[in-house]
Amino acid sequence: EVQLLESGGGLVQPGGSLRLSCAASGFTFRSYGMSWVRQAPGKGLEWVSGISGGGGSTYYADSVKGRFTISRDNSKNTLNLQMNSLRAEDTALYYCAKGGLWDPFDYWGQGTLVTVSS
Amino acid sequence: QSVLTQPPSASGTPGQRVTISCSGSSSNIGSNTVNWYQQLPGTAPKLLIYSNNQRPSGVPDRFSGSKSGTSASLAIRGLQSEDEADYYCAAWDDSLNGWVFGGGTKLTVL
Repeated sequence: EVQLLESGGGLVQPGGSLRLSCAASGFTFRSYGMSWVRQAPGKGLEWVSGISGGGGSTYYADSVKGRFTISRDNSKNTLNLQMNSLRAEDTALYYCAKGGLWDPFDYWGQGTLVTVSS
Repeated sequence: QSVLTQPPSASGTPGQRVTISCSGSSSNIGSNTVNWYQQLPGTAPKLLIYSNNQRPSGVPDRFSGSKSGTSASLAIRGLQSEDEADYYCAAWDDSLNGWVFGGGTKLTVL
């Protein structure tokens, strides 16, 4: 059974940093691209970033380019998102999703909440 | 404003057929396949349709998808109360080099 478990969310001040992680199990992690998708309170879905199975290719939404960095550790089956220079508009539930980079998001975690506020 | 355009709401009575549209452009729907996601209240999204018209294992055949040019549609026949959810279309955008979503359609079963 595929499981994706996000962690690392919390309350952070504007301009601050946060690192999200996603622990994956139930599939051959290194063989699949992974993505982060966020959902602001009461709003729709927004793709944030994606990474290839080997980690050599990364993609970012314009809204986070230069501030967020996606990475993965295939030895630990873990996906990460380093978020710097956080803004109020980054407040959202952040989902880890299996797929992306051409493949549909066929499995999703339950999300971790990031709140940017002073 | 979302890159893909969906109606904000749709509704139907049990047993009816409902369609939800998704409009894009040549850089996304026009050149790539469309996926649809269902988000039940308070839960994570779930893949409903992929590659325009394919259903993942476990998705009832009441759900179907289609694509023509730069638009796509999700159809639900035999509407049931448990279909009440938000529905999102998504496609890869070659110009943005990333995934784009529709703004979502809230389906109400009357």
